[in-house]
Amino acid sequence: EVQLLESGGGLIQPGGSLRLSCAASGFTFSTYVMSWVRQAPGKGLEWVSTIFGNGDSTYYADSVKGRFTISRDNSKNTLYLQMNSLTAEDTAVYYCAKGGSGADVLFEYWGQGTLVTVSS
Amino acid sequence: EVVLTQSPVTLSLSPGERATLSCRASHSVLRYLAWYQQKPGQAPRLLIYDASNRASGIPARFSGSGSGTDFTLTISSLEPEDFAVYYCQQRYGWPPITFGQGTRLEIK
Repeated sequence: EVQLLESGGGLIQPGGSLRLSCAASGFTFSTYVMSWVRQAPGKGLEWVSTIFGNGDSTYYADSVKGRFTISRDNSKNTLYLQMNSLTAEDTAVYYCAKGGSGADVLFEYWGQGTLVTVSS
Repeated sequence: EVVLTQSPVTLSLSPGERATLSCRASHSVLRYLAWYQQKPGQAPRLLIYDASNRASGIPARFSGSGSGTDFTLTISSLEPEDFAVYYCQQRYGWPPITFGQGTRLEIK
C-alpha cells in the first residue's frame, strides 16, 4: 500500500524558512517522480515543484522559483521542500504526491498534507 | 502556460441524477488530462487519467471523455458520497502543471 506522510508544517513569521518532509512507503521510491502541490485556505490546487527519480531534474512554479528547493533522499525514501523567504501568500496545506511511472507527473497518490501558516 | 477553465463553478443535483462537469484548456493538451475529487478536510484523489481511464478502485459510474481542449467528467448516477469538489489537471504543456479552479458538486 502506498503511503505518503508529510511533516514539518507550522506557524512561521514572514521572511522565515521551513523544511517540509514527506516519508514514502509501499513503492520503489527512487523510480518515481515526486511533487509538491499546495492549497491555500478555501482555494484551489496549485502545483509547486517536481523532482525526477534520480534527483537530477527539478521544476518549480514561478511563484516559488528562487525561494523553494525540492530534493529527495532515496536512501531514506523521503522527499523534502526547503522553503525560504516565506510570505503570507505561501500559507497553505502542502501535499506531497507520487507521480506515475518513469517521468509521468500524474498525481496518483497524495499524502494527507501539512499546514504552513505564515504570519507575524 | 495552459489555462484550464472548469464549468460550472457550482453544480446542484440530487442523488441518482447524472452529473456532467466540463474542463476547457487554452491550448491542446492532447489527452493528458486528469480529474481529481476532493472532499472537505481530505487530500485530492485521482479519478480519471489520460482523459478517459479510471484510476484503480474508482467506480464505473465515473467516466471521462474528450481530447485536445474540451473534456468532460460524467457521473452517471450520483451517490451521496460523490458530492465534493472536482478538479481537472493537465500535464502535457508543463512546466507548469496546471489545475482548473474546481467545480463544487453540491446536494440540491
